[in-house]
Amino acid sequence: KAGVTQTPRYLIKTRGQQVTLSCSPISGHRSVSWYQQTPGQGLQFLFEYFSETQRNKGNFPGRFSGRQFSNSRSEMNVSTLELGDSALYLCASSRGQGFNEQYFGPGTRLTVT
Amino acid sequence: AQTVTQSQPEMSVQEAETVTLSCTYDTSESDYYLFWYKQPPSRQMILVIRQEAYKQQNATENRFSVNFQKAAKSFSLKISDSQLGDAAMYFCPRGCFGNEKLTFGTGTRLTIIP
Repeated sequence: KAGVTQTPRYLIKTRGQQVTLSCSPISGHRSVSWYQQTPGQGLQFLFEYFSETQRNKGNFPGRFSGRQFSNSRSEMNVSTLELGDSALYLCASSRGQGFNEQYFGPGTRLTVT
Repeated sequence: AQTVTQSQPEMSVQEAETVTLSCTYDTSESDYYLFWYKQPPSRQMILVIRQEAYKQQNATENRFSVNFQKAAKSFSLKISDSQLGDAAMYFCPRGCFGNEKLTFGTGTRLTIIP
């Protein structure tokens, strides 16, 4: 069974721009969660989507948004990029039945200059 | 805030020896799950082992086992016969039933000495 895939793997953007990251979950998984990993703040939960609905949200500004498609693929968008948005963005998928066993993708490394 | 604390920023162990990584957590939930994930230099987060809070028996997965002390809110990971491939950052996130969100600690960097 194929694992979680994320595209692109690396991205360089300029302050003020916007960016869209994509995540394809493991086949059969209906939940997709997004995390931001930085050296200073560690791993922080952004949001979780299940059956195209945002089911849970972390404490991030409204510049961070996401969506999920009918095939469970998910995208997250960051608008008006700031230098502090430079991070590794990890996507994780699960069956979404509340048992939390999540499988992570390789991440997208975003650098904002 | 419901937090996860990993008090050992770095640990090292000789190859083939045993090492224990510590983790404590805070939660008001009665039904929750605990995990150990490893993140090698490739940055891919890999599930090592999981423990359901309602189970008294400690989880074991090959060379990896946990010591789950529910009353003390402690959840340590023991790695036996350490191998070079075990070198990684280790995280022990907590999750609550019905909620996919995982709360992570700051991690422990494990170095394996050949």
